[in-house]
Amino acid sequence: GAGVSQTPSNKVTEKGKYVELRCDPISGHTALYWYRQSLGQGPEFLIYFQGTGAADDSGLPNDRFFAVRPEGSVSTLKIQRTERGDSAVYLCASSQTGISTDTQYFGPGTRLTVL
Amino acid sequence: AQKVTQAQTEISVVEKEDVTLDCVYETRDTTYYLFWYKQPPSGELVFLIRRNSFDEQNEISGRYSWNFQKSTSSFNFTITASQVVDSAVYFCALSEAGNTPLVFGKGTRLSVIA
Repeated sequence: GAGVSQTPSNKVTEKGKYVELRCDPISGHTALYWYRQSLGQGPEFLIYFQGTGAADDSGLPNDRFFAVRPEGSVSTLKIQRTERGDSAVYLCASSQTGISTDTQYFGPGTRLTVL
Repeated sequence: AQKVTQAQTEISVVEKEDVTLDCVYETRDTTYYLFWYKQPPSGELVFLIRRNSFDEQNEISGRYSWNFQKSTSSFNFTITASQVVDSAVYFCALSEAGNTPLVFGKGTRLSVIA
């Protein structure tokens, strides 16, 4: 079946602008994760959804970052007043139930560049 | 706190050589899960293996093998008879029971030269 998809694949914006990044998880997966990967680093956790609710948002760096998953499938990561330091690849992953033993399957990522 | 260390930043080998990628982890939990992912140049993270803390048996899958040793908190990954298609960045990751987000190491970039 289809894997995790993310749109857009690339996003270039100017400092101070608002951006939205979209993630379509694997059909039927209840858990959805957002990670951020800076150049030369491993992915870092941002937020995790179980169904429609954010089960853990401890990784969001500040209140400019927000994510929603209103119907328990597609999720949108929203970044307000973007800064150059927000430039990174934003990865989305989904897993079947969200328990620790589940494997997380990743999408191709959205490369965000803030000029 | 959880931590994953991949001390090798970059490794370069000639095709058909064996190569081992090191992973050392830290956790206070007795129940945890270890993962390896491959990130080819296309950028998508590809799942390779999951191991739980109660299963120290080594695993082999084709040319890939994994050596899990709780005594040294290591979960090393060996590729036998490497191929050019193995060139990628490899990440080791950890999650604790009840805490599902993954903690990743910084990755090891493997280059296999023909």
